[in-house]
Amino acid sequence: DAKTTQPPSMDCAEGRAANLPCNHSTISGNEYVYWYRQIHSQGPQYIIHGLKNNETNEMASLIITEDRKSSTLILPHATLRDTAVYYCIVRPAGIKAAGNKLTFGGGTRVLVKP
Amino acid sequence: NAGVMQNPRHLVRRRGQEARLRCSPMKGHSHVYWYRQLPEEGLKFMVYLQKENIIDESGMPKERFSAEFPKEGPSILRIQQVVRGDSAAYFCASSPPMVQNTEAFFGQGTRLTVV
Repeated sequence: DAKTTQPPSMDCAEGRAANLPCNHSTISGNEYVYWYRQIHSQGPQYIIHGLKNNETNEMASLIITEDRKSSTLILPHATLRDTAVYYCIVRPAGIKAAGNKLTFGGGTRVLVKP
Repeated sequence: NAGVMQNPRHLVRRRGQEARLRCSPMKGHSHVYWYRQLPEEGLKFMVYLQKENIIDESGMPKERFSAEFPKEGPSILRIQQVVRGDSAAYFCASSPPMVQNTEAFFGQGTRLTVV
């Protein structure tokens, strides 16, 4: 079962930052927060992941609260091509981490409008 | 480095036939995961395999479905005696055999239609 809660949908304006919230109040100390997105029935695309520090890459930034019970994915300048379903997933780390499956919830359907 | 390759991209089968879906992981990856996505629904985990071993098949239907990941060649998801309810998109993902936490990369899926 998914351990995260996300709003089912949100709109954002093209060119503006998109802030996608995720609650994971039962997260354990060894669990990472992952973000994936799925654009119109394509294969899910990895975006970013983090443990407790904020992370940034060429696609997005991940802000994790100090208590790690929630996080926010930030798309700095949303484009129409960012329209997708965004999934926030918690996944254990550790020696067996590579074998731990990703459990997808309902995600947030993001619509970027011109 | 090619990504995760799945074939065929589209597969049509008549009820009662067999469907074989192939997944070639990224180079250097020895872990493969299969997911199913029914129309207008989310991604559901089916099975996780390492080379020659099934590690977690908690999401696999008990009958008609099987998966393998041989020492050589792609991972195969096999569905015997397909029914219309098997119509879905099937995605595989792969990840490397590292002890540190790492991401899994997905293929573009195989869309199975049972007629």
